[in-house]
Amino acid sequence: GAVVSQHPSRVICKSGTSVKIECRSLDFQATTMFWYRQFPKQSLMLMATSNEGSKATYEQGVEKDKFLINHASLTLSTLTVTSAHPEDSSFYICSARELAETQYFGPGTRLLVL
Amino acid sequence: SQQGEEDPQALSIQEGENATMNCSYKTSINNLQWYRQNSGRGLVHLILIRSNEREKHSGRLRVTLDTSKKSSSLLITASRAADTASYFCATDAGYTDKLIFGTGTRLQVFP
Repeated sequence: GAVVSQHPSRVICKSGTSVKIECRSLDFQATTMFWYRQFPKQSLMLMATSNEGSKATYEQGVEKDKFLINHASLTLSTLTVTSAHPEDSSFYICSARELAETQYFGPGTRLLVL
Repeated sequence: SQQGEEDPQALSIQEGENATMNCSYKTSINNLQWYRQNSGRGLVHLILIRSNEREKHSGRLRVTLDTSKKSSSLLITASRAADTASYFCATDAGYTDKLIFGTGTRLQVFP
């Protein structure tokens, strides 16, 4: 199957700092990328959908100014958690889709905000 | 919430036994997918079943879909310790390109 990478795999930061997470599709061009958040032992919750070259569409309740998403190319999307707080600590997972229905998921990024 | 529900929430079985997980969803769908997640890792796509299909097989996996009941099941036959993981169903949320995930089933297979 298609490969999606995420970087970093885990990050620890101080409260108030910003953290950028990258999501790359390695062997295909992703027309759409998705960002999810997952709390321990819970399911994935969609945060936003991003299409290359256009603004991301955020789900209800997700602050667009806090979670900045940029989809600059067909193989790269970034999620920046701005002014991170301890409650932002979570597992962030991206996925990428070419044209078919299947989404391919990255390995996830564990964020811990102290 | 549009989130689907899965049951059981947790399932423990011995190697060699079959594991069945059920998923219910709320909206009309174009397709339903099953994913697997090992602890602290990303999701691996297992199988996709379209709304006009009733059953699909892939190796030791068997998926059924009943659109009249808005439910699906995933059967893993002859389970192995390596099958230990969380399993999620996901629907395409009424013909949008978003995936709505179920609550997940945590499967533990003891050797």
